[in-house]
Amino acid sequence: DAGVTQSPTHLIKTRGQHVTLRCSPISGHKSVSWYQQVLGQGPQFIFQYYEKEERGRGNFPDRFSARQFPNYSSELNVNALLLGDSALYLCASSLRDRAPNQPQHFGDGTRLSIL
Amino acid sequence: AQSVTQPDIHITVSEGASLELRCNYSYGATPYLFWYVQSPGQGLQLLLKYFSGDTLVQGIKGFEAEFKRSQSSFNLRKPSVHWSDAAEYFCAAHYGSSNTGKLIFGQGTTLQVKP
Repeated sequence: DAGVTQSPTHLIKTRGQHVTLRCSPISGHKSVSWYQQVLGQGPQFIFQYYEKEERGRGNFPDRFSARQFPNYSSELNVNALLLGDSALYLCASSLRDRAPNQPQHFGDGTRLSIL
Repeated sequence: AQSVTQPDIHITVSEGASLELRCNYSYGATPYLFWYVQSPGQGLQLLLKYFSGDTLVQGIKGFEAEFKRSQSSFNLRKPSVHWSDAAEYFCAAHYGSSNTGKLIFGQGTTLQVKP
């Protein structure tokens, strides 16, 4: 079975630009979460979506937004990119939204570099 | 505030030696606890999880972890390390008070294995 897939793998942008990252969850998983992992740190929670509704938001500015589609895939959008947005963006899927006994499965991430 | 701490940023062990990676979670209601491993350029792979019951949990790749409520700790262990275990290890927690599937990660511990 396919795991969580993310695209693109790598992306280079300049300050002020906009970026869209994509995620396809494991088949049957209805929850998608996004995390930002800055070099040398642990992942930080950005968003969770379940059944196309936002279920949680981390401490990130409004420049960050996301959505989930009827097929449960998801997009993360970041506007007005800053140098500090350079990071590995991880997507995780799980069967449900608040069932930690069903662990989250992570994709390999999108490496975003801002010049 | 809810937090996870990994006191050791970098650990070096010889191949065949035993390993213990430390993890402490903030005091309060016992969260659900996880250990993930991240190889360079890849996403996170779940090693093991603790929800309740037996405080010694077994995971994949020969890893185990012990939950100690009195010490708010969830340390990861392996009796004999292999060179392929070199990677970044993250401890994570999900607090039951959260209305989302949000995971809180520690800073990570980089494991280097000497031949």
